[in-house]
Amino acid sequence: KQEVTQIPAALSVPEGENLVLNCSFTDSAIYNLQWFRQDPGKGLTSLLLIQSSQREQTSGRLNASLDKSSGRSTLYIAASQPGDSATYLCAANSGGYNKLIFGAGTRLAVHP
Amino acid sequence: ETGVTQSPTHLIKTRGQQVTLRCSSQSGHNTVSWYQQALGQGPQFIFQYYREEENGRGNFPPRFSGLQFPNYSSELNVNALELDDSALYLCASSLVGLPTGANVLTFGAGSRLTVL
Repeated sequence: KQEVTQIPAALSVPEGENLVLNCSFTDSAIYNLQWFRQDPGKGLTSLLLIQSSQREQTSGRLNASLDKSSGRSTLYIAASQPGDSATYLCAANSGGYNKLIFGAGTRLAVHP
Repeated sequence: ETGVTQSPTHLIKTRGQQVTLRCSSQSGHNTVSWYQQALGQGPQFIFQYYREEENGRGNFPPRFSGLQFPNYSSELNVNALELDDSALYLCASSLVGLPTGANVLTFGAGSRLTVL
């Protein structure tokens, strides 16, 4: 049974810092791993999707890596801004369809 | 291009009642998935609909049921509501419903259900 864990649960940093959010999963047989952003009271916005055959994906200041052998993914945020404040969720797709297994998220606060 | 829209945004029910939540998928998408997100937790997969049929289900009892219509919109029905059903219910649409694992999901803003 796939389980996804995210560390840390919460993070508060000053503006401009480079950040690393961690995600671990127990079953390495995944189709892909996705990172989402969720603002308070809102739905999820897809940030990056890494296929099982890929090692990393980049979008702007965001870079996500995937290491299936160790069951880990990291989301790197460069030069953080107050607008980055949100909850970041990772989700593993190991059952096909759109059955994503989510972690509980990392709540990020970036203060000026 | 419109995104995923859900209604209602908030609702309050009492234990034992029934609720119907609605979702309009993003234009061009043919698959709808439903997730339940309890406070402080990640979303949990309820089920997915493709070509008007359920083709994947998570660990939820039969009192959670759904429909998909020819225009790809969808409903989530929950019977005999329990206190633990209080959560944010998220609908997500995508273009391909096959188990390829390569689908990027577009999520709606959710329907927040409170069961008293």
